[in-house]
Amino acid sequence: DAKTTQPTSMDCAEGRAANLPCNHSTISGNEYVYWYRQIHSQGPQYIIHGLKNNETNEMASLIITEDRKSSTLILPHATLRDTAVYYCIASTQGGSEKLVFGKGTKLTVNP
Amino acid sequence: GAVVSQHPSRVICKSGTSVKIECRSLDFQATTMFWYRQFPKQSLMLMATSNEGSKATYEQGVEKDKFLINHASLTLSTLTVTSAHPEDSSFYICSARDNGRIGYTFGSGTRLTVV
Repeated sequence: DAKTTQPTSMDCAEGRAANLPCNHSTISGNEYVYWYRQIHSQGPQYIIHGLKNNETNEMASLIITEDRKSSTLILPHATLRDTAVYYCIASTQGGSEKLVFGKGTKLTVNP
Repeated sequence: GAVVSQHPSRVICKSGTSVKIECRSLDFQATTMFWYRQFPKQSLMLMATSNEGSKATYEQGVEKDKFLINHASLTLSTLTVTSAHPEDSSFYICSARDNGRIGYTFGSGTRLTVV
């Protein structure tokens, strides 16, 4: 799996957009960018994933650069419940492909 | 859909005893499940890959005789921490993938405290 690097922590005001960056400069052509988040003392939750194109779902948007070396997860209107550790992972989509977590970004949404 | 149930959520055991943690996929079949361990303020560390009907694959540095994994059916994997010691106290999390869905689903975790 390609190694990813993320800032250790970020802060965001409630109601504003939270933009979480991720560098994955060694990502291979068949690896997707996955985002998960972990709220304190819970299991991680899948957010979104993408290969080349930008993606959007009910939770977030994912912007992937054209060279695929970095991406940004966007939470358009952050709420206090979005406070969590966000993990960016590069992985293939094979059913037995293991997910290896980095240190992630601790996002704190402030009132 | 794609729910993974983990039990128990919390367990306290005495040093030297064994503890079993169950991970069930409730609405899908999982030929592969994964077990992670997480210490306070740290990221998830993959311990092993559990394969239905065959031996688990352990990550480097994880003792297979201490962390016994059994994946006897397509919906159940168990992790047994044998001869537990205080340093085994941690948050253990399992995950599985429904091949019809995107991403992996994680259990809610088990907080193990060894006293």
